[in-house]
Amino acid sequence: EAQVTQNPRYLITVTGKKLTVTCSQNMNHEYMSWYRQDPGLGLRQIYYSMNVEVTDKGDVPEGYKVSRKEKRNFPLILESPSPNQTSLYFCASRQRQVYEQYFGPGTRLTVT
Amino acid sequence: AQSVTQLGSHVSVSEGALVLLRCNYSSSVPPYLFWYVQYPNQGLQLLLKYTSAATLVKGINGFEAEFKKSETSFHLTKPSAHMSDAAEYFCAVSEGDTDKLIFGTGTRLQVFP
Repeated sequence: EAQVTQNPRYLITVTGKKLTVTCSQNMNHEYMSWYRQDPGLGLRQIYYSMNVEVTDKGDVPEGYKVSRKEKRNFPLILESPSPNQTSLYFCASRQRQVYEQYFGPGTRLTVT
Repeated sequence: AQSVTQLGSHVSVSEGALVLLRCNYSSSVPPYLFWYVQYPNQGLQLLLKYTSAATLVKGINGFEAEFKKSETSFHLTKPSAHMSDAAEYFCAVSEGDTDKLIFGTGTRLQVFP
C-alpha cells in the first residue's frame, strides 16, 4: 500500500530534550515536506526537500532541523524542544511535476 | 505571494442540505488548487484538485469545486450533506517548485440530523 508513515504518533517530552520524528514514504517520491498544524493557523511548512541531500527552509524553520540521506526518509529533528513547538506535525511527499501531496497520519507533540 | 482565505471557520448544516465551503486565493501565476479533508485524529486526505484543466472539478464522496478565475475563488460544494461529512476542510494553493502548499485556516463542518 502506497503511504507516508510517521513515528511516533504521540509524544510528550520536556523542554530541552532532543527528539526525532521519523517520516518514510514508499512511493519513490522526490519531494518531501514537514508541516505543523496549529488551531486557527492551518498548516505551515517547516522544511522541504526536493531530493536526496537537498533541503530548504519553509515558513517556520526556527528550532527545527531535517536531513535527507535517503530518498524514502525525511526525519524532523528538534535539538532543544520548547513549549511553543507543541503542535501537530505532518510529513508529506509528492512526485516531481505532480503537485498533489500525500500526507502522513500526523504526530502530536507536547513539550512541557 | 500566494495566499488562501477561507470564509467561515465553522459551518453547520442539516443532513441532506447543501454544503458550501468558501475559498478565495491570490496568486500571480496560474494556480494549482486543492481541497483536503481532515477527519478527527487523522491526517489530510485529498478531496479534489484543480490543475488548469476543467474548471469544474469532481472529487471523492460527492464533493465538487469550481475554479472561477474572475472571482479568484474555488468554493467546495456538495448537494446533500451526510453525517459522515463532519470534518475539517482545508483549501490550499500550490507554490509550484518550492513544494509549498499554502493552506487556508480551515473550516470545520458540522452536520446535524
